[in-house]
Amino acid sequence: DIQMTQSPASLSASLGETVTIECLASEDIYDILAWYQQKPGKSPQLLIYDASSLHTGVPSRFSGSGSGTQYSLKINSLQPEDFASYYCQNGLSAPPTFGAGTKLELK
Amino acid sequence: EVQLVESGGGLVQPGSSLKVSCVASGFTFSSYVMHWFRQAPENGIEWLAYINTDSSSTHYAETVKGRFTISRDNAKNTVDMQLSSLRSEDTAMYFCARGAYYGYLDYWGQGVMVTVSS
Repeated sequence: DIQMTQSPASLSASLGETVTIECLASEDIYDILAWYQQKPGKSPQLLIYDASSLHTGVPSRFSGSGSGTQYSLKINSLQPEDFASYYCQNGLSAPPTFGAGTKLELK
Repeated sequence: EVQLVESGGGLVQPGSSLKVSCVASGFTFSSYVMHWFRQAPENGIEWLAYINTDSSSTHYAETVKGRFTISRDNAKNTVDMQLSSLRSEDTAMYFCARGAYYGYLDYWGQGVMVTVSS
């Protein structure tokens, strides 16, 4: 199985700041990578697929980049609703595997 | 609007069985593969099982193979998972999710809690 390693595990930031979350795959996943947002008590919601394509309805302050084994999620100008947990996911090969998550907290 | 709604969770004793269900609406259910995932409290997301559109192919995580069984009914727009020989480590929130292209999951249900405890 492809292992996904996310960093940092937690992150404190202020409203209006820009943050970046990193994800490292154990092998090349050819940009077949997704990012999900999960708020407490809710299910994960797809934000980005194919490493950089925004899912329907996702605000443009979210962006994804990367290639090969290294990927990142950037959130510009943090809004109150952005404080949540974020997960990367390998979509290339079965089974789908997720990073351990990054918890974004309000400073 | 795409909706996935799970049901069937609860508190059960170790060694017992339980069925969790997911009813879909807002899309052509028979055209999509479906998955089940779980998330233990304060833990990450674990894939459990996959079923293709006509039920001819299923796959399971090693942690649940032989104990959990996924099935679907395209006439009723439902995907179920039968959980048996339950252990305390199966305690988690269980989610169904719709499979998009590649291995992406584009819509998830709200989840149903399964607690295994004596």
